[in-house]
Formats: sequence, structure tokens, C-alpha cells
Amino acid sequence: EPEVTQTPSHQVTQMGQEVILRCVPISNHLYFYWYRQILGQKVEFLVSFYNNEISEKSEIFDDQFSVERPDGSNFTLKIRSTKLEDSAMYFCAIGQDQNEKLFFGSGTQLSVL
Amino acid sequence: RKEVEQDPGPFNVPEGATVAFNCTYSNSASQSFFWYRQDCRKEPKLLMSVYSSGNEDGRFTAQLNRASQYISLLIRDSKLSDSATYLCVVGFSGNTPLVFGKGTRLSVIA
Repeated sequence: EPEVTQTPSHQVTQMGQEVILRCVPISNHLYFYWYRQILGQKVEFLVSFYNNEISEKSEIFDDQFSVERPDGSNFTLKIRSTKLEDSAMYFCAIGQDQNEKLFFGSGTQLSVL
Repeated sequence: RKEVEQDPGPFNVPEGATVAFNCTYSNSASQSFFWYRQDCRKEPKLLMSVYSSGNEDGRFTAQLNRASQYISLLIRDSKLSDSATYLCVVGFSGNTPLVFGKGTRLSVIA
């Protein structure tokens, strides 16, 4: 199974602050994803990234969010000005193709105070 | 709309029991189907893909009914370690990403 490392495992921040969540996929997979899961709710799609650009994004992924893969290895999710409702577990995932199985990182628990 | 519905449970079963979960999906053009397992505060982990002909992996059997738009997961001889939330995941047509159900919680009791 491909390895996907996420850092940090926990992030606590004040409302309005910027956070950057990091993902390092150790594989040759082509598609990269961010999903989030609010406590007690389902896993929700945020954005998919292919060939160094966003291929699909959900309505959750508004102007406060951005993704990039600056050096061909790290895949980051930035939230510019965090809100209380951004508190969730954020999962990075990789896949070989759209609609194919995904492999998830261990997640970053983000708490916005 | 692209929706995946599951009975949230919880299903509380004794060790050794057989338990079955169902999942329904909204779009008949769906292309790919999976069962994931998620432990509390952990990432989803792929349990098995679901194929049209049905498939089995040890104590786990997955089936797909396209006509009725549902997927099932059967767990035989339940173990304590099977306690987790089981997520039904569907890939709809086109370039849309996988859609997750809310999950069904299973507790296997000694």
C-alpha cells in the first residue's frame, strides 16, 4: 500500500490565522486529493490536483483555500484566514486515476479557537 | 445529485456473528464502488473494491446490485477487531471524485 505522510498530526490555531497542512506521498500516483471530516460527519471532498493544477473542487473549497505542489513532492493545503467551522480532520489522499481507489494519509486534526 | 446513503447503526453483535451492511447510491451511471474501514479518529483504509460479479476476501464478501443501486458488505465470524465504522464509497461518472457515505458503526462484543 502506498505511503502518505501528513504533517502536523495536530494543529491548533486562532481564528483568522493562516495554516498550512502538508502531505508527502511516497508513490508514483498521479492524482492528489484533500478531503476533510468534521467530527461525527462524513468524509467530504475538497479538491483534486492533477498535473500541477486543480482538476476539481467542491463548494467548500472557496477563496480561503489553496493548494500547491511546489517541489514535486510536498502537496500542501493552505487556509488563509481560518474560521471556527474549519475545525476538522483533514486527509490527504492519492489515487492512480479518477474514480479509482484512494489511499489516505493519517490526517491533520485542525482546531480553530 | 451524487449521494451515498448508509444505515448509521450502531450494529452491536457478539463475536462470531455474521453481520451485513447495505448502502444505496443515487446515480445509476456510477462506475466504481468500494468499502473502506475507519477506526475512531483515524484515516479511512481500503477494505475492498466491489465488482459487478461480487467478490470475497476471507471473511468479507461484497456484492453490487446495479438494478437496485445498492452495495452490500457481509462479515462472517465477526472478531473484536472488526469493530469500526464501515464507509461505502462510490465513484460517479465523469471526472467527479469519490463520494463517501456517512458510515455504519459496528461494535463486536465479547
